[in-house]
Amino acid sequence: GAGVSQSPSNKVTEKGKDVELRCDPISGHTALYWYRQRLGQGLEFLIYFQGNSAPDKSGLPSDRFSAERTGESVSTLTIQRTQQEDSAVYLCASSSQRGRTDTQYFGPGTRLTVL
Amino acid sequence: SQQGEEDPQALSIQEGENATMNCSYKTSINNLQWYRQNSGRGLVHLILIRSNEREKHSGRLRVTLDTSKKSSSLLITASRAADTASYFCATGGLMDSNYQLIWGAGTKLIIKP
Repeated sequence: GAGVSQSPSNKVTEKGKDVELRCDPISGHTALYWYRQRLGQGLEFLIYFQGNSAPDKSGLPSDRFSAERTGESVSTLTIQRTQQEDSAVYLCASSSQRGRTDTQYFGPGTRLTVL
Repeated sequence: SQQGEEDPQALSIQEGENATMNCSYKTSINNLQWYRQNSGRGLVHLILIRSNEREKHSGRLRVTLDTSKKSSSLLITASRAADTASYFCATGGLMDSNYQLIWGAGTKLIIKP
């Protein structure tokens, strides 16, 4: 079946502009995660959605970052007033399990470059 | 500080040799997972080992877990050029009052033809 998809695959934007990144999880997966990965670094947790529960936003680095998810479908990550330090690959993952320690399935990521 | 820390940070070996990567962690875990990432894109799940397991195999992959030493190793036998990638361990357990996966910084593996 189809895996996790993300769009766009690459995004170049100017400092100060807003960007919106999209994630389509695997159908039926109730859990959805967003991560940020700077060049040569590990994964930095941003936000977690589980079904209709309140999301865990504890990883969002500033109030410029926000994310939404409608039910158990598509999620969008929005970065307002982008800064150069926002340049990174943004990865989305989904899981069929309710537990946050279970296997995650990743999309190909969106590479964001802020000029 | 990092829960899972991979060692070495980078490893370069000849094709056909075995590659061993290690992961150490600090707190109790429910499971430990290894993932592969090619070219800085999406991660692919390789193997999950539970805290009550000591060894697990999948094809050319062998994972061991030593909970007394809080460490795990990933062995790739008979390496191939296609194994060139970054390998991440992720520990699943209770951290800061939440069950979650904590990611290490990864080992960059290069297989020379």
